[in-house]
Amino acid sequence: AQTVTQSQPEMSVQEAETVTLSCTYDTSESDYYLFWYKQPPSRQMILVIRQEAYKQQNATENRFSVNFQKAAKSFSLKISDSQLGDAAMYFCAYRSATGNQFYFGTGTSLTVIP
Amino acid sequence: DAGVIQSPRHEVTEMGQEVTLRCKPISGHDYLFWYRQTMMRGLELLIYFNNNVPIDDSGMPEDRFSAKMPNASFSTLKIQPSEPRDSAVYFCASTYTYRQPQHFGDGTRLSIL
Repeated sequence: AQTVTQSQPEMSVQEAETVTLSCTYDTSESDYYLFWYKQPPSRQMILVIRQEAYKQQNATENRFSVNFQKAAKSFSLKISDSQLGDAAMYFCAYRSATGNQFYFGTGTSLTVIP
Repeated sequence: DAGVIQSPRHEVTEMGQEVTLRCKPISGHDYLFWYRQTMMRGLELLIYFNNNVPIDDSGMPEDRFSAKMPNASFSTLKIQPSEPRDSAVYFCASTYTYRQPQHFGDGTRLSIL
């Protein structure tokens, strides 16, 4: 069974600095998708970034980038130039390419210190 | 587009009562998902529909939970009877196809006293 693990329940970063959130997953499949979702205090779930497993190039969206290590089954999120609005709960998620089952990590709560 | 719309935003009720959560997916989305979020277990997929048909309900915790999608623009998640351990935030999400990201509603915070 697929599992997603976020080993950092809480993280903090100084404003304008860089922070990396960790995510590992377990799967026997070769094709799948990985996502990072952001959940601010408003509770809305927002897609931050996605990665297709068949792509070697790491996905990037403005200040957000991932370090995708397929062999190690690792998918970390790097936030550069952290802003106060980045403070939220971040969820890592896995989805099989053949089905529509989502597996989520338990989340990492990010605090941005002014 | 209005996005995925969930109601109510908050629900507080006593144990034993029936609870009905509602979701309106984004128009044209063929997939609809119900999730439950708790501190202990994070985000869990309960059930999902494709073209109004339940495809996988293996995440539904027990028979007290049921979900329906009578048409393409409406779905309900019902808990009967409700228990305090059902207290959580329930999310609904929709997407065009399984290859596309899911769009989430704002969630319903459910408190069972």
